[in-house]
Amino acid sequence: GAVVSQHPSRVICKSGTSVKIECRSLDFQATTMFWYRQFPKQSLMLMATSNEGSKATYEQGVEKDKFLINHASLTLSTLTVTSAHPEDSSFYICSARGIVGRGSYEQYFGPGTRLTVT
Amino acid sequence: GQNIDQPTEMTATEGAIVQINCTYQTSGFNGLFWYQQHAGEAPTFLSYNVLDGLEEKGRFSSFLSRSKGYSYLLLKELQMKDSASYLCAVLDSNYQLIWGAGTKLIIKP
Repeated sequence: GAVVSQHPSRVICKSGTSVKIECRSLDFQATTMFWYRQFPKQSLMLMATSNEGSKATYEQGVEKDKFLINHASLTLSTLTVTSAHPEDSSFYICSARGIVGRGSYEQYFGPGTRLTVT
Repeated sequence: GQNIDQPTEMTATEGAIVQINCTYQTSGFNGLFWYQQHAGEAPTFLSYNVLDGLEEKGRFSSFLSRSKGYSYLLLKELQMKDSASYLCAVLDSNYQLIWGAGTKLIIKP
């Protein structure tokens, strides 16, 4: 099956610093990648959708200047949390989807990145 | 607006059967997914229904009725490891996933 990796799995950073999270599709080409955030005991919240080679589409209420998304290739998307604050501490999960129309609309999830901002 | 409804929490006994319902109202429909998510982990795919009817996969089955905007996930022979949240998600006309809030399933011995 399709495998998506995320790195790092866990990161602790100081308030005011930036953190970059990588999401890679290992055995398929991901034309679309999704970034989610999940706070404890809450549901997944979609932050943004990124298509390879184009700018990400952010959900309402998500600051695009704070959460920088780059989807430079068909196998890699990155999320950079800039000037992180304690309230940004959360579980960040990426998912990837292949080319729609080839019969697969499933999103394959990475293992997630637990971010703690002190 | 788009809406996915599923119960917040359910409790069942080990070895029993449980049915988790999901109703939806979305702009377009290109299929419905069920995902399982254990605490602290990412969701994992369970099933995908795009046509009406029942899809069986081992101990798990998923049912869809497009005319009623309704689906359920049926878990048989419950095991303690089935304790998790179960997420219903609908693929809308733009091929975007609309997520339900999830149903936390608690299995008791």
